[in-house]
Amino acid sequence: GAVVSQHPSWVICKSGTSVKIECRSLDFQATTMFWYRQFPKQSLMLMATSNEGSKATYEQGVEKDKFLINHASLTLSTLTVTSAHPEDSSFYICSAHITGTNEKLFFGSGTQLSVL
Amino acid sequence: GQNIDQPTEMTATEGAIVQINCTYQTSGFNGLFWYQQHAGEAPTFLSYNVLDGLEEKGRFSSFLSRSKGYSYLLLKELQMKDSASYLCAAPNTGGFKTIFGAGTRLFVKA
Repeated sequence: GAVVSQHPSWVICKSGTSVKIECRSLDFQATTMFWYRQFPKQSLMLMATSNEGSKATYEQGVEKDKFLINHASLTLSTLTVTSAHPEDSSFYICSAHITGTNEKLFFGSGTQLSVL
Repeated sequence: GQNIDQPTEMTATEGAIVQINCTYQTSGFNGLFWYQQHAGEAPTFLSYNVLDGLEEKGRFSSFLSRSKGYSYLLLKELQMKDSASYLCAAPNTGGFKTIFGAGTRLFVKA
């Protein structure tokens, strides 16, 4: 099956710093990737849709200047949390599906971000 | 708009059968997914229904009724390792973005 690799698995940073999370599709090309955020005991909330070669599409209420998304190639999307604050502490998960289908999502392993 | 509802928590006994229900409202229909998620891990795919009826896959089965906007996940011969959150999800109109329900936390007790 398709594999999505996400790094880092966990990160602890100081308030005010920026953190970059990488998401790679290892054995397939993904023109579109999705970034989700999950707070403890809650479900996945879609933050944005990352589009290769173009601007990301953000969901309502998600600050595009705070959560920078870059999708420079067919296999790599990055999410940068800029000027992180404690309220940004969360589990961030990327996902992708095989281009041209609407079938199951393949998820990265997730990144647990803790902002001190 | 899109809305997905499922119970918050359920408890069942090892070896038993449990049914997790999901109701959904979507402006279009492009299938319905069930995922399993253990704490601190990413979700894993369980099933995808696009036609009405029951689809069986080992100990797990999923049912869909499009006319009722209803689905359920049936877990048989429960094992302790089945303790997890079960997420009902549906693609939006056009089948592009997947929206998740709040998830049902299942606790399996001995």
